[in-house]
Amino acid sequence: DTGVSQNPRHKITKRGQNVTFRCDPISEHNRLYWYRQTLGQGPEFLTYFQNEAQLEKSRLLSDRFSAERPKGSFSTLEIQRTEQGDSAMYLCASSLENTEAFFGQGTRLTVV
Amino acid sequence: GENVEQHPSTLSVQEGDSAVIKCTYSDSASNYFPWYKQELGKRPQLIIDIRSNVGEKKDQRIAVTLNKTAKHFSLHITETQPEDSAVYFCAASSNFNKFYFGSGTKLNVKP
Repeated sequence: DTGVSQNPRHKITKRGQNVTFRCDPISEHNRLYWYRQTLGQGPEFLTYFQNEAQLEKSRLLSDRFSAERPKGSFSTLEIQRTEQGDSAMYLCASSLENTEAFFGQGTRLTVV
Repeated sequence: GENVEQHPSTLSVQEGDSAVIKCTYSDSASNYFPWYKQELGKRPQLIIDIRSNVGEKKDQRIAVTLNKTAKHFSLHITETQPEDSAVYFCAASSNFNKFYFGSGTKLNVKP
């Protein structure tokens, strides 16, 4: 499968725990985006990278969220001290510069 | 920042009829407008997109129109089929830096 890959597909965690998600973009795509989607809503922008540089981070993103793309390939999104409001689908997308973005299947997070 | 509004939130049509979904955006710097189809439990999939230097684009039964002056763009699906049933999202972007999505339209095509 040469598409965007996300792991894990599902994550259930207790409130207060830390979680980390991984995204493997399409090979050679230099842009990588993270979005969050709640039921019945469109994807909400979280952050994006060009190569290893994090170019923008949403003001909606609290300090508990951090993302990295250390070698310009895969990326990780970490949520510290999870809260019930963090329950959502976390989507990753990748693209070449100035071209369409392709989404992964997402990681569904449930905080109990 | 950009604000994208999408209407209607739900749309029910008879198989074979046309469906139209409309979006408006607020940032005149937006110059790229993709449409995604999302089936239940699946990833959003790009179905068509349009750049600001073009007013209309067609791909078989799907077309998108863009009115830059009015800041709105629309998705048109002709000869709808039951497999077109899904949630459709419009989005707007300035130079592909990030994408602002509408709230989605749930399309139901009745056989």
